[in-house]
Amino acid sequence: DAGITQSPRHKVTETGTPVTLRCHQTENHRYMYWYRQDPGHGLRLIHYSYGVKDTDKGEVSDGYSVSRSKTEDFLLTLESATSSQTSVYFCAISRGPGTNTEAFFGQGTRLTVV
Amino acid sequence: QQPVQSPQAVILREGEDAVINCSSSKALYSVHWYRQKHGEAPVFLMILLKGGEQKGHEKISASFNEKKQQSSLYLTASQLSYSGTYFCGGVDFGNEKLTFGTGTRLTIIP
Repeated sequence: DAGITQSPRHKVTETGTPVTLRCHQTENHRYMYWYRQDPGHGLRLIHYSYGVKDTDKGEVSDGYSVSRSKTEDFLLTLESATSSQTSVYFCAISRGPGTNTEAFFGQGTRLTVV
Repeated sequence: QQPVQSPQAVILREGEDAVINCSSSKALYSVHWYRQKHGEAPVFLMILLKGGEQKGHEKISASFNEKKQQSSLYLTASQLSYSGTYFCGGVDFGNEKLTFGTGTRLTIIP
């Protein structure tokens, strides 16, 4: 199994509070992604990173920010959590889309905003 | 814009065949297929890189029509273990985003 760990695995937080989710990899892969999964919407890309301090927005980036200060860590921050951000969040890593290799997913973080 | 998958859900008896379709409004560099079991993370099945090139995995194969930006996943003689939600993923030309479709839930019954 690819070395990718998400923390926490479950979190309940109150509306308006900031929340940070962490994705940690031991594979030295260049690309890291954050997705959210909701019924009927599949996996939607929030942000992704193609290197240290190199990030870009995905389809549903409003209300989220990311940071990547080290190759192994990619942090997703909900600046002020809202109930619409209740979801399952997946981190994924890959060597890069251009290398024709697969993405590996973490086990997911279930976030509930009350 | 997410790739669009069809059907959204399908129920099959063990041994029957299934086809899942994926289409993109953008030109894709490659197409990925993943399967997700309930409560688990998605797991890679295959990548298709060139128009028309098929890459198979046991009784699962796929195709990619570059002209139409459409990919299809073929599951032959389905087994109970094939149950799950299937996602196609696409990498756009011009950027490095890996975006996924809305998923197809496949249920195999004995």
